[in-house]
Amino acid sequence: QVLLEQSGAEVKKPGASVKVSCKASGYSFSTFDINWVRQAPGQGLEWMGRLNPNSGNTDLAQKFQDRVTMTSNAAISTAYMELTNLASEDTAMYYCARDKYGATEPWGQGTLVTVSS
Amino acid sequence: DIQMAQSPSSLSASVGDRVSITCRTSQSISSLLNWYQQRPGKAPKLLIYAASILQSGVPSRFNGGGSGTDFTLTISSLQPEDFATYYCQQTYSTPYTFGQGTNLEIK
Repeated sequence: QVLLEQSGAEVKKPGASVKVSCKASGYSFSTFDINWVRQAPGQGLEWMGRLNPNSGNTDLAQKFQDRVTMTSNAAISTAYMELTNLASEDTAMYYCARDKYGATEPWGQGTLVTVSS
Repeated sequence: DIQMAQSPSSLSASVGDRVSITCRTSQSISSLLNWYQQRPGKAPKLLIYAASILQSGVPSRFNGGGSGTDFTLTISSLQPEDFATYYCQQTYSTPYTFGQGTNLEIK
């Protein structure tokens, strides 16, 4: 069974950074891209970027290029998304999802990041 | 960036109804479009990829169609578990933009 398991909820102060993890199981981790998507409370889905775990190459949405780093550790089949200089507008549920030839599935359960002073 | 126009934004229907949701893109994306279902408090679930291919395990009452710039998700006979929010997403070019969502409610 293919699963993505994300790290737990985080509460951060404005200006801080957060690093969310996404542990894959049930398939060869390096074979498929990992996408990161976020969803602010009561809002729609926003694609943040994608990571190729094999090459380490990333493709980030322009609005995140200065603040987001996506990395992975193949030895433990885990992808990471770090967001810096947090602001209240970054309060959201953050999801990772596997991209298998355009079929984005499965998704992780989500990690709630709350930014509050 | 490719812009997505999803409609309607909300829809009321009854169990057994047939409903359709449309997604229009600002440029041709061939057939590179996905549809997702999201229930409250849950992660999105892939229903359809490549515009018309049913994801494994998804009931056959879900049907996707279209190509180019115009796409449709049809649910042939609504079941109680289908009342949720639906999103389209283009995977033709990054950023992989999403539609604004359609909230499907029970009438």
